[in-house]
Amino acid sequence: AQKVTQAQTEISVVEKEDVTLDCVYETRDTTYYLFWYKQPPSGELVFLIRRNSFDEQNEISGRYSWNFQKSTSSFNFTITASQVVDSAVYFCALSEARYGGSQGNLIFGKGTKLSVKP
Amino acid sequence: NAGVTQTPKFQVLKTGQSMTLQCAQDMNHEYMSWYRQDPGMGLRLIHYSVGAGITDQGEVPNGYNVSRSTTEDFPLRLLSAAPSQTSVYFCASSYSYGGRNTEAFFGQGTRLTVV
Repeated sequence: AQKVTQAQTEISVVEKEDVTLDCVYETRDTTYYLFWYKQPPSGELVFLIRRNSFDEQNEISGRYSWNFQKSTSSFNFTITASQVVDSAVYFCALSEARYGGSQGNLIFGKGTKLSVKP
Repeated sequence: NAGVTQTPKFQVLKTGQSMTLQCAQDMNHEYMSWYRQDPGMGLRLIHYSVGAGITDQGEVPNGYNVSRSTTEDFPLRLLSAAPSQTSVYFCASSYSYGGRNTEAFFGQGTRLTVV
């Protein structure tokens, strides 16, 4: 069975602190995709990153970085020097690649609410 | 380029009423889906479609119907609204190429309250 666990329900930090959001996943497939989405208080879902199971390279985009480790089934997200605008709910999600089938289905974690205080 | 458009954005229904949430995308994506978001639950898949004329159930399909007559549109019908269907509903679209999944593009969401 596929499952995504975000153990941190809420995190509160002070501006300029670094913060890491944890994501652990379960899947039997060898080919799969991992995603992070941001949901600001306005409610829309903003895509942040996609990573496929064959690419374990870490990725950095500005203040954001992602650490993908297949050995521990984790795909953690770090925000460096956090800002108030980073306050949002962050979702980790998993999808599996199946030709002609449910390849678009996303399994979401329950989300981590990040509050960045000035 | 509008992306994924959902209407309405807000809706209040009485128990037992029916309604249709509209979803349209203009990106020619073959895959479309509906999720509901409840507090502390993340997003859960209701129904999905891998192309026009093809739909299937997700994790929480009870009380909902879908159809996909065109690539662009994927409406979600509530047959007889219940308070348990109070939620925020998101429509999404995506595509795949050679088995590679793209990210899902989400609509703005519909906040539904059933009283």
